[in-house]
Amino acid sequence: SQELEQSPQSLIVQEGKNLTINCTSSKTLYGLYWYKQKYGEGLIFLMMLQKGGEEKSHEKITAKLDEKKQQSSLHITASQPSHAGIYLCGADPTGNQFYFGTGTSLTVIP
Amino acid sequence: NAGVTQTPKFRILKIGQSMTLQCTQDMNHNYMYWYRQDPGMGLKLIYYSVGAGITDKGEVPNGYNVSRSTTEDFPLRLELAAPSQTSVYFCASSYSSLVTASYNSPLHFGNGTRLTVT
Repeated sequence: SQELEQSPQSLIVQEGKNLTINCTSSKTLYGLYWYKQKYGEGLIFLMMLQKGGEEKSHEKITAKLDEKKQQSSLHITASQPSHAGIYLCGADPTGNQFYFGTGTSLTVIP
Repeated sequence: NAGVTQTPKFRILKIGQSMTLQCTQDMNHNYMYWYRQDPGMGLKLIYYSVGAGITDKGEVPNGYNVSRSTTEDFPLRLELAAPSQTSVYFCASSYSSLVTASYNSPLHFGNGTRLTVT
């Protein structure tokens, strides 16, 4: 099965700081998804990357899929308390089973 | 459209009891999934279905059963509940295979069922 390892597991940053979350796959990625989950709530879709080298941005969040398509990074610029939550990468290697990464818990201190 | 609806929102079970978590979607999605999320952890795939009458195991299927008699409904059954099944359960659906979709087709999630087994 696909294994998606995220790092770091948890992150505590001061408001205004930049941060990066990584997602490493045990297999080639054919589409990589980033979701955010506020504590105690459901998942919110952030963005999807399909091509190696692809980079997408939404507001202050940028995600990139590396050329070899086995790693993705999520970068937040000038973090805010509203960015706090659990960030999850996800992939669907077989076309049937959508797997999630281990999750990264982000705390932003005002 | 209501999207993906899960019931109940909360439930407390005693060890050995059984229950069914309900999930229904009104988007005519072919693919449906059940995940569990333990505290501070990512989501683990329990079972999934690619269409009515077709189900298959995910990463952590033991202790659970599913059925998919209609496109809309995908109930998850817990038999002989155990403390290890204390978790938050999420149901999700998608229109088609995410790999071959010609457009962004992310999973649509329900709001979750918080289950405690004591």
